[in-house]
Amino acid sequence: QVQLLQSGAEVKKPGASVKVSCRASGYTFTDYYIQWVRQAPGQGLEWMGRIDCNNGDTKYAQNFQGRVTLTRDTSVNTAYMDLTTLTSDDTAIYYCMRRGDDYWGQGTLITVSP
Amino acid sequence: DIQMTQSPSSVSASVGDRVTITCRASQGIRDDLGWYQQKPGKAPKRLIYDASSLQSGVPSRFSGSGSGTEFTLTISSLQPEDFATYYCLQHNSHPYTFGQGTKLEMK
Repeated sequence: QVQLLQSGAEVKKPGASVKVSCRASGYTFTDYYIQWVRQAPGQGLEWMGRIDCNNGDTKYAQNFQGRVTLTRDTSVNTAYMDLTTLTSDDTAIYYCMRRGDDYWGQGTLITVSP
Repeated sequence: DIQMTQSPSSVSASVGDRVTITCRASQGIRDDLGWYQQKPGKAPKRLIYDASSLQSGVPSRFSGSGSGTEFTLTISSLQPEDFATYYCLQHNSHPYTFGQGTKLEMK
């Protein structure tokens, strides 16, 4: 069965970077795009970007341009979301999801605190 | 960027009620829209894809309609488990964008 397993919660200092992983199983990794969505506490869903797991092509939301980098490693069927220069506004749950259907990771809570 | 304006932001309703939520796109997006339900502490769950197609396993009381710029999600007869927050998501052009969400609360 299709599964997306994300890395665990992290606490970061302002100005730091974080890298969240999303390991896929149960399907051919390179056949799908992976998207990243985040949700700040008590707020709505925010689309961050997507990566084509076949060729690594990426698209990003303008809000994150220059701060977020999506990558993938096809040898381990894993997509990554790297977010730099963290502020308290980046405190959120980060989800990966497979584009085109309804498979989501379990979410990763990133807390940015002094 | 395409802006998705979702309304209402919240609605109070009772079990058995019919509820309609609307999303308006700032430009035409054909039928490239999905509807999602999210319960507290859980990942969103897709209910409708391509504006009007019911996701496998989703009860038939959920339906979607619309094309271009105006879209609706209708719950024909509310059940207790339907009280949640609902979002639309356009995937017509990058960046994809969500509506602001509609919180469906029990009256």
